Amino acid sequence: KQEVTQIPAALSVPEGENLVLNCSFTDSAIYNLQWFRQDPGKGLTSLLLIQSSQREQTSGRLNASLDKSSGRSTLYIAASQPGDSATYLCAVGTNAGKSTFGDGTTLTVKP
Amino acid sequence: EAGVAQSPRYKIIEKRQSVAFWCNPISGHATLYWYQQILGQGPKLLIQFQNNGVVDDSQLPKDRFSAERLKGVDSTLKIQPAKLEDSAVYLCASSLDRVYEQYFGPGTRLTVT
Repeated sequence: KQEVTQIPAALSVPEGENLVLNCSFTDSAIYNLQWFRQDPGKGLTSLLLIQSSQREQTSGRLNASLDKSSGRSTLYIAASQPGDSATYLCAVGTNAGKSTFGDGTTLTVKP
Repeated sequence: EAGVAQSPRYKIIEKRQSVAFWCNPISGHATLYWYQQILGQGPKLLIQFQNNGVVDDSQLPKDRFSAERLKGVDSTLKIQPAKLEDSAVYLCASSLDRVYEQYFGPGTRLTVT
């Protein structure tokens, strides 16, 4: 059974800092990995999708990497802003489209 | 492009009552998912449809939960009878096909008293 862990559960940083969020998974037989953002009381917004054959994906200030062999993914956020404050979730997917989510990291960026 | 629509947004019921949630996925998306998200946790998959067929319902409490996807488009999720532990946000998501990016609706927040 796939297990996904995100550590730390919460993170607080000053504005402008670069930061890394971590996601680890127990079964390396994944098809893809997706990073989401969730604002309080809202649904999930997709940030980046990495296929298992890829090492990284970039979108603006965000860069996600994937190391299947070690069961790890990281989400790098450059020059953080207060508007980046949210909960960040990772989900690992199988070739059948089934996704297993971590419990997320709640990020607070202080002005 | 319209996103995933869900209704209602909020629902409060008493235990042992029944409730139904509705989801309209993005047009053309073959795969539809229902998730349960308990406060402080990540979403847990309840059921996955591919067009109007069920792909995975291994974590759906079938004694009280049911779901259908009519004509491979809209979907409803029903709980009957509800228990206190069913209090959660129910999220619907859709994707073009099984391994594509998932897009989520705003969710329905259910409170069972």
